Amino acid sequence: EPEVTQTPSHQVTQMGQEVILRCVPISNHLYFYWYRQILGQKVEFLVSFYNNEISEKSEIFDDQFSVERPDGSNFTLKIRSTKLEDSAMYFCASSEQWGSGNTIYFGEGSWLTVV
Amino acid sequence: AQTVTQSQPEMSVQEAETVTLSCTYDTSESDYYLFWYKQPPSRQMILVIRQEAYKQQNATENRFSVNFQKAAKSFSLKISDSQLGDAAMYFCAYRSAGYGGATNKLIFGTGTLLAVQP
Repeated sequence: EPEVTQTPSHQVTQMGQEVILRCVPISNHLYFYWYRQILGQKVEFLVSFYNNEISEKSEIFDDQFSVERPDGSNFTLKIRSTKLEDSAMYFCASSEQWGSGNTIYFGEGSWLTVV
Repeated sequence: AQTVTQSQPEMSVQEAETVTLSCTYDTSESDYYLFWYKQPPSRQMILVIRQEAYKQQNATENRFSVNFQKAAKSFSLKISDSQLGDAAMYFCAYRSAGYGGATNKLIFGTGTLLAVQP
């Protein structure tokens, strides 16, 4: 079964450093997402992306964050000048189409630790 | 804004028994979708079951079924013949139907941690 893949599975970074989290969505999917889960808390939406532009973003997704689809397969989340509170599991997800009739499939997550 | 509430932080069930996880939500929309996701210790988010709000029939996937009460805005998950592999965090989630440019995001509850006792 096709799946969303994410790298790295775990990254430790110094506060103030830049981090890039990478994702390969399911190949025929058109909509891509990033979600975040701080340890012990619920999963929160960050951003959705379609046709090479952001279609929706949450209040969490401020200027510190950016997303990009640098080629036909990868989808990245960049976090500039990381803060301690950015420590979380970051999930990439994708869906075939817009609309809640289409299931959102999640990757296994990238665990980011900021020290 | 839509909200999802899971009032049971933790639940426990004996292997082979049945357990029901509760979820309520608040929305002014009439068309939407509801989901249950499972997050095992590996932390991957795995779709368990989904329900379309316009369907009266409750969704079923093997040992997993839902009790969808639209008027009460309730969406509970029943796990029958519980197995050790069912032990996980279970998240209820809401998603708008997406018409007219409405949001496409999933809104999650806080989760219920299910333990399965051998």
